[in-house]
Amino acid sequence: GESVGLHLPTLSVQEGDNSIINCAYSNSASDYFIWYKQESGKGPQFIIDIRSNMDKRQGQRVTVLLNKTVKHLSLQIAATQPGDSAVYFCAEKTRTSYDKVIFGPGTSLSVIP
Amino acid sequence: ETGVTQTPRHLVMGMTNKKSLKCEQHLGHNAMYWYKQSAKKPLELMFVYSLEERVENNSVPSRFSPECPNSSHLFLHLHTLQPEDSALYLCASSQGTGQYNEQFFGPGTRLTVL
Repeated sequence: GESVGLHLPTLSVQEGDNSIINCAYSNSASDYFIWYKQESGKGPQFIIDIRSNMDKRQGQRVTVLLNKTVKHLSLQIAATQPGDSAVYFCAEKTRTSYDKVIFGPGTSLSVIP
Repeated sequence: ETGVTQTPRHLVMGMTNKKSLKCEQHLGHNAMYWYKQSAKKPLELMFVYSLEERVENNSVPSRFSPECPNSSHLFLHLHTLQPEDSALYLCASSQGTGQYNEQFFGPGTRLTVL
């Protein structure tokens, strides 16, 4: 259903600490997941992706974990920096609607210097 | 920069106006997308074009009319909009519409309907 008065979750992290951003998905048919970062005044930017045949994938300072049993996705950012302050979205695709990306509501990350 | 540009960056229009949003991608991609991002909803897919043909119309009202004259350009024509259409309109492109094709987003057009 639709969300009315969507509240954007927020996360405040001290510079240098690790950040963990969580995302729940509901469609069991989703088998490809993407994390995007959106800075103020910019469009979403791809960070990292993971396919459903994996449960962990690492990039530069970022790690995505996928738990298909509970339909949960997380993004871990190591040694968080002020430049990491942004809204982070998880997104999913399914085998049947491969051209559609379904976005989650987003989490706002603020890094405290 | 992502290689996807959008103009104008900001637009204010009345409900009886007609305006167009423009998107251009410099990445050699063959699929383009329009999304709506409003404060009260997650990012919503509006239209998908692949090889200049519309392959997805996500139940968007007819007051939004897309046009894709070639694989590098995408327009969104606006007519008799409502105040609730005020939002950030994002364009994206990808190399094909396959499941694992990354979408590259433009900076968006911030639209305000008075």
